Amino acid sequence: KQEVTQIPAALSVPEGENLVLNCSFTDSAIYNLQWFRQDPGKGLTSLLLIQSSQREQTSGRLNASLDKSSGRSTLYIAASQPGDSATYLCAVSAGGSGGSNYKLTFGKGTLLTVNP
Amino acid sequence: SQTIHQWPATLVQPVGSPLSLECTVEGTSNPNLYWYRQAAGRGLQLLFYSVGIGQISSEVPQNLSASRPQDRQFILSSKKLLLSDSGFYLCAWSVRLVQETQYFGPGTRLLVL
Repeated sequence: KQEVTQIPAALSVPEGENLVLNCSFTDSAIYNLQWFRQDPGKGLTSLLLIQSSQREQTSGRLNASLDKSSGRSTLYIAASQPGDSATYLCAVSAGGSGGSNYKLTFGKGTLLTVNP
Repeated sequence: SQTIHQWPATLVQPVGSPLSLECTVEGTSNPNLYWYRQAAGRGLQLLFYSVGIGQISSEVPQNLSASRPQDRQFILSSKKLLLSDSGFYLCAWSVRLVQETQYFGPGTRLLVL
């Protein structure tokens, strides 16, 4: 059974700092890995998706890396801003055929607070 | 553009009462549809997914059920709610034949008292 762990559970940083969020997963047979953002009481917004054959993806100040063999991913946020404050969730999509590769297994998230 | 709607936004129900949460998607055809529950301290858990009308796959045993009466409509139901059913329920969709990102709705917060 796939398990996804995110460290740290919470992180508080001053504005402008670069930071790294970590995600690990137990089964390396994944189809892709995604990072989502969730604001309090809201749904999830997709930030980055990395296919299993890729090593990293970038979008603006965000960079996500994937080391499938070691079961790890990192989300790097450059020059953090107060507007980045949210919960960041990592999710992996199961490998395999049929409906199994539609399933996402989520970590519990990292609550990020960026202080002005 | 595609949009996903969920209602109601908030619901307070007594234990033992029935439940019906609705999710609809606009601007796409033949989507995969998903129901997730987010409970405090437990993360996001996939409850059901559907790859077509009338096709429902259940991920966890529970007193909830799901139905897909139309292509872009997904309904989560219960005949008798339990206290443990409290949580934040999220509906999501993805493109049918290509495994891409899932797009999430705004969620329904359910409190069972």
